[in-house]
Amino acid sequence: KAGVTQTPRYLIKTRGQQVTLSCSPISGHRSVSWYQQTPGQGLQFLFEYFSETQRNKGNFPGRFSGRQFSNSRSEMNVSTLELGDSALYLCASSSGQPNTEAFFGQGTRLTVV
Amino acid sequence: AQTVTQSQPEMSVQEAETVTLSCTYDTSESDYYLFWYKQPPSRQMILVIRQEAYKQQNATENRFSVNFQKAAKSFSLKISDSQLGDAAMYFCAYKIDNDMRFGAGTRLTVKP
Repeated sequence: KAGVTQTPRYLIKTRGQQVTLSCSPISGHRSVSWYQQTPGQGLQFLFEYFSETQRNKGNFPGRFSGRQFSNSRSEMNVSTLELGDSALYLCASSSGQPNTEAFFGQGTRLTVV
Repeated sequence: AQTVTQSQPEMSVQEAETVTLSCTYDTSESDYYLFWYKQPPSRQMILVIRQEAYKQQNATENRFSVNFQKAAKSFSLKISDSQLGDAAMYFCAYKIDNDMRFGAGTRLTVKP
């Protein structure tokens, strides 16, 4: 069974630009969660999608948005990039059933210059 | 608010010895799951072990075991016979329904 795939692995963007990150979950998984990981803040929850609907949301500004497609693939978009958005963005997939473990992708390293 | 606290930013252990990583959490819920994840330099988060809150028996996975104290809201990870490949960031996580939260992590160094 293929794991969670995140693309691209690395990305460099300029302040003010927007970026879209992609995540393909494990086959059969319907839940995709996104996390931002930085050295200072650790793993911060962004949002979770289940069956194309946002089910949970963390405390991030509206510049951070996402969506999920009918095949469960998910995209995360960040508009008007700021230097502080530089981070590792991790995607996790799970079956969507309560209290099941999450399986992570290798992440997308975003650098904003 | 639900929080997860890992009070040890860094830990070090000699190869073949045992180390314990601490984790406490705060919740008013009674039904939840706890996890330990490992993140090596490759960045891939790997599940190490999981514990259901309704189970009193501590989970064990080969050299990894937990000490789950529900009343104290404590969930420590013990790594026995440490190996060089155990060097990584370790994250404690807590999940209620579909909401998973992580601690800040503990960086484990294994000395040969």
